[in-house]
Amino acid sequence: DTEVTQTPKHLVMGMTNKKSLKCEQHMGHRAMYWYKQKAKKPPELMFVYSYEKLSINESVPSRFSPECPNSSLLNLHLHALQPEDSALYLCASSQGPAAVVFGTQYFGPGTRLLVL
Amino acid sequence: KQEVTQIPAALSVPEGENLVLNCSFTDSAIYNLQWFRQDPGKGLTSLLLIQSSQREQTSGRLNASLDKSSGRSTLYIAASQPGDSATYLCAVRQGGSTLGRLYFGRGTQLTVWP
Repeated sequence: DTEVTQTPKHLVMGMTNKKSLKCEQHMGHRAMYWYKQKAKKPPELMFVYSYEKLSINESVPSRFSPECPNSSLLNLHLHALQPEDSALYLCASSQGPAAVVFGTQYFGPGTRLLVL
Repeated sequence: KQEVTQIPAALSVPEGENLVLNCSFTDSAIYNLQWFRQDPGKGLTSLLLIQSSQREQTSGRLNASLDKSSGRSTLYIAASQPGDSATYLCAVRQGGSTLGRLYFGRGTQLTVWP
């Protein structure tokens, strides 16, 4: 099973709301990633977790708060977002730790977020 | 900083043609290069992964080559089909202080018409 699942598929939120995106994989992967993708643009890396520890934060605003409660689950908590944060949010995973370098990244279907 | 460029940005061909998509990168100190496919509004599907020590990888009608020293990769699609229509992204995994980071190109949008 090479599946990464993401919920919800779509999310509409106001600028004062608090919401969370969820990502799950059961491939035994120990590296998990959050990406943001705007229309017609490539994905931009936001965060990397390796062995449930945050290893890369690409200077993402604090209104995005990642969490990795266990090796299979990755959350992205959202608070006080701006309309320009509207995008497709993609989760990915790969084997780790050395395979953080060498392994294939498997992507989920994404959550399409609209901030009003 | 690594820069990844994909040419052409868009391609429209009739069914049955053999295609070549190009990817170039500025820093040859990579660990691997990965080709993805993305359908509109969907996530990325990994097609092929080439390690820096490899020259090519094949999967079905797809063949990807890597020339690390010249900073180039090509994705060859044989006997194209309408179902191949999608955006194809190439991404390189950089070493050094950016360990774990993928650098993406902007993609080639492919349309195969019947």
